[in-house]
Amino acid sequence: TQLLEQSPQFLSIQEGENLTVYCNSSSVFSSLQWYRQEPGEGPVLLVTVVTGGEVKKLKRLTFQFGDARKDSSLHITAAQPGDTGLYLCAGYQNSGAGSYQLTFGKGTKLSVIP
Amino acid sequence: DTGVSQDPRHKITKRGQNVTFRCDPISEHNRLYWYRQTLGQGPEFLTYFQNEAQLEKSRLLSDRFSAERPKGSFSTLEIQRTEQGDSAMYLCASTPPSGAYNEQFFGPGTRLTVL
Repeated sequence: TQLLEQSPQFLSIQEGENLTVYCNSSSVFSSLQWYRQEPGEGPVLLVTVVTGGEVKKLKRLTFQFGDARKDSSLHITAAQPGDTGLYLCAGYQNSGAGSYQLTFGKGTKLSVIP
Repeated sequence: DTGVSQDPRHKITKRGQNVTFRCDPISEHNRLYWYRQTLGQGPEFLTYFQNEAQLEKSRLLSDRFSAERPKGSFSTLEIQRTEQGDSAMYLCASTPPSGAYNEQFFGPGTRLTVL
C-alpha cells in the first residue's frame, strides 16, 4: 500500500514569514498533485508535478518533485492570511493495471496569523 | 465552465436510515471518483467510474454502499442502514479524457452526520 507522509501536520506562522511543507513516500509516483482545502469545501488543485527534479512556481508558491519521484515539497514565500488552509499532496501511480485512484497524505494545516 | 457540483451539501440522518448523494461532474469528463474524508485525514478512495462502468472499488466500500453512473454523466452514492461511523465528508471528483496525469477536480463535498 502506498503511503504519503506529510510534515509538519500543523504549522502556525506570522504573516510575511516563509515556510516549507513536505510530502514523502517510499513509493515512486507517476505524478504528484498538491491541493489546498478550506474548511467545509473540497480540495482545489494547485499544481501537478511529473518529472523528477521538476520545479514549478505559482506566484509565491514553489513546488518541487524529488529526483526519484518519491517526495515533494511546497515552499511559500511571504505567507499571507489568504494562504491559510489544509495543504494535501496526492500521488498517482500509473501501474498499467487501470487504477486511477489518488493516494492522499493527511495534509498540513497551515494558519497564517495577520 | 462550471465545476463539479454535489448535492446536498449537508445531510443529517438518524442511524439506520438510507441516504443518497448526487454528483455532477464537469461536462465531458469521462472519469468520476468518490472519496471519503474524515476529520484530520486526507481523502480516501471509494470507487471510480469510466463513463458508466464502475471499474474499481475500495475495500472501504462495504455492502451497504452502492454507487451508480447510469448514463455516464451524473453519479449517485447510496448508503443503506447508516452507522455513526459513516459520518464524514463525501467528495466527488472528475477527470477529462485527456488527463494523462490523473489530475482530479473536486466538488465541494457532502457532509454527512449520522446521529
